[in-house]
Amino acid sequence: GAVVSQHPSRVICKSGTSVKIECRSLDFQATTMFWYRQFPKKSLMLMATSNEGSKATYEQGVEKDKFLINHASLTLSTLTVTSAHPEDSSFYICSARGPNDQPQHFGDGTRLSIL
Amino acid sequence: TQLLEQSPQFLSIQEGENLTVYCNSSSVFSSLQWYRQEPGEGPVLLVTVVTGGEVKKLKRLTFQFGDARKDSSLHITAAQTGDTGLYLCAGEGTSGSRLTFGEGTQLTVNP
Repeated sequence: GAVVSQHPSRVICKSGTSVKIECRSLDFQATTMFWYRQFPKKSLMLMATSNEGSKATYEQGVEKDKFLINHASLTLSTLTVTSAHPEDSSFYICSARGPNDQPQHFGDGTRLSIL
Repeated sequence: TQLLEQSPQFLSIQEGENLTVYCNSSSVFSSLQWYRQEPGEGPVLLVTVVTGGEVKKLKRLTFQFGDARKDSSLHITAAQTGDTGLYLCAGEGTSGSRLTFGEGTQLTVNP
């Protein structure tokens, strides 16, 4: 089946640093990728949708300058949390979908902890 | 904005018991997916239902899509400790669009 790889799986860093999370589709071309944020024992909250080669569409309340998304190729999207602060600590999950209304496939998530 | 109400939010049962999780909406969905998520991992797709009234079975799990495609249920028969996890329903408004997730059901099956 389709595989989505997310890296790193866990990152701990100091407040004020920027952190980049990668999401790769390993065996299919992902025309659309989605970035979610999840709090403990809660559901997924969509942050943004990115289509290859175009600017990401952010959900209401998500700061585009804070959460930079790049989808430069059909197999890679990145989320950069800029100048991270403790309140940005969370579980971030990406998903990828191929063309022709294929279902979304999820990565294993990145646990981000800002000290 | 489409909303999916999922219930119950928390469920703790003994091994061998049956349970049902519900997802309800006032909106029509072109399809609805059910996921199971373990701590520290991404959601894993269990099933997709697309036709009103559709029933799908996956071993001890039975999924049903409402006739009007506004609601869905997941029934687990004779629950096992390995069924413990976060169950999420997610609806797709139009084919190929974003997913709307329910709030999730945290299921704990005790031995």
